[in-house]
Amino acid sequence: DTAVSQTPKYLVTQMGNDKSIKCEQNLGHDTMYWYKQDSKKFLKIMFSYNNKELIINETVPNRFSPKSPDKAHLNLHINSLELGDSAVYFCASSRGLVADTQYFGPGTRLTVL
Amino acid sequence: GQQVMQIPQYQHVQEGEDFTTYCNSSTTLSNIQWYKQRPGGHPVFLIQLVKSGEVKKQKRLTFQFGEAKKNSSLHITATQTTDVGTYFCAGPKGSGGGADGLTFGKGTHLIIQP
Repeated sequence: DTAVSQTPKYLVTQMGNDKSIKCEQNLGHDTMYWYKQDSKKFLKIMFSYNNKELIINETVPNRFSPKSPDKAHLNLHINSLELGDSAVYFCASSRGLVADTQYFGPGTRLTVL
Repeated sequence: GQQVMQIPQYQHVQEGEDFTTYCNSSTTLSNIQWYKQRPGGHPVFLIQLVKSGEVKKQKRLTFQFGEAKKNSSLHITATQTTDVGTYFCAGPKGSGGGADGLTFGKGTHLIIQP
């Protein structure tokens, strides 16, 4: 059973479109995250949610809107996609305790044309 | 803000040679974590170091946490082709509350020539 799953794995779309990425974890963790990995493999946190409550919102354009319907799910909706949004987006989860191990999903490779 | 720096960015080695990557934080860390990402894969947790001066080993991998808890290293002895990938260090963001997430170094890409 996959611990952290994401859909879709690949997403190719045109500039200006709106798209969503879904994430689910079956580890019973309280905290979920979205990370962005650029073409140079640099990993940067975007958002974190703890028990459906937004904890971190890094300097991310407001075109990005996370939603957590329950603590096992964290979705990412992106409006008006731009070329610079092309990246791999990783969902992750952790127990939420201090500095706990992060479990990453397989990633969604987003390509904006 | 907190910065985590990692060197080298790339490392080419012949199979069987040793490999080391170094991590430095601009702030004292409550702990440091190491992750490995295979090509096309996702980051996978390797280890967490908590104590000042701590050394941990996993088979051919040796991890160290500096006395000041601001630097760390990962050493691989006698590299194998299965070691190929990007190695990241990461420290707790902010005050270290779990929900704050991690600040990752930029990673060291290990390339092994058979």
